[in-house]
Amino acid sequence: DQQVKQNSPSLSVQEGRISILNCDYTNSMFDYFLWYKKYPAEGPTFLISISSIKDKNEDGRFTVFLNKSAKHLSLHIVPSQPGDSAVYFCAASSPGNYKLTFGKGTLLTVNP
Amino acid sequence: SQTIHQWPATLVQPVGSPLSLECTVEGTSNPNLYWYRQAAGRGLQLLFYSVGIGQISSEVPQNLSASRPQDRQFILSSKKLLLSDSGFYLCAWSVSGGPLHFGNGTRLTVT
Repeated sequence: DQQVKQNSPSLSVQEGRISILNCDYTNSMFDYFLWYKKYPAEGPTFLISISSIKDKNEDGRFTVFLNKSAKHLSLHIVPSQPGDSAVYFCAASSPGNYKLTFGKGTLLTVNP
Repeated sequence: SQTIHQWPATLVQPVGSPLSLECTVEGTSNPNLYWYRQAAGRGLQLLFYSVGIGQISSEVPQNLSASRPQDRQFILSSKKLLLSDSGFYLCAWSVSGGPLHFGNGTRLTVT
């Protein structure tokens, strides 16, 4: 049972445009959501997170939106840069739980 | 600042051989420690986590085991590797309420 789903295995955008990465979840107990970026042969790097008490969190070019009623979150990157090309993982946890549940990732390619 | 060290970066082992991957964390005390695996075409699967010395929780039945002999040391082991143990193994740490921070991973190929 996949509790965190990233239904798009890949996404390609032009440099300077917006990248929108989507994530859906099924566990209504999840209250903390994170996005990670991963380059080949490296560990994932934490990008941005959002608590369920918010619907938006912004950090520079990265913004995460949370729609609790739809159990959906998205990561917006604007403007996209070639260095943003990587696999992006969505992750979630529930209260008091030490563990993160990850999606399968979306490969973002930003073309110059 | 906190750092996490994981080694080796790559490892090729024959089927039936033992395994020991080590992970250490610096700059923090009593972290939560994790072992994840990323198999080809799949997401990150949690294998083990530990909230303290000698405390290990296993998430999935498997051919692997974990130990935490010291506060900031986490070891992943196997007595006899299987072909299906091939993958990218990631160690991570966190403190309560914070995100996970990952090491650079070990690419294990079982031949």
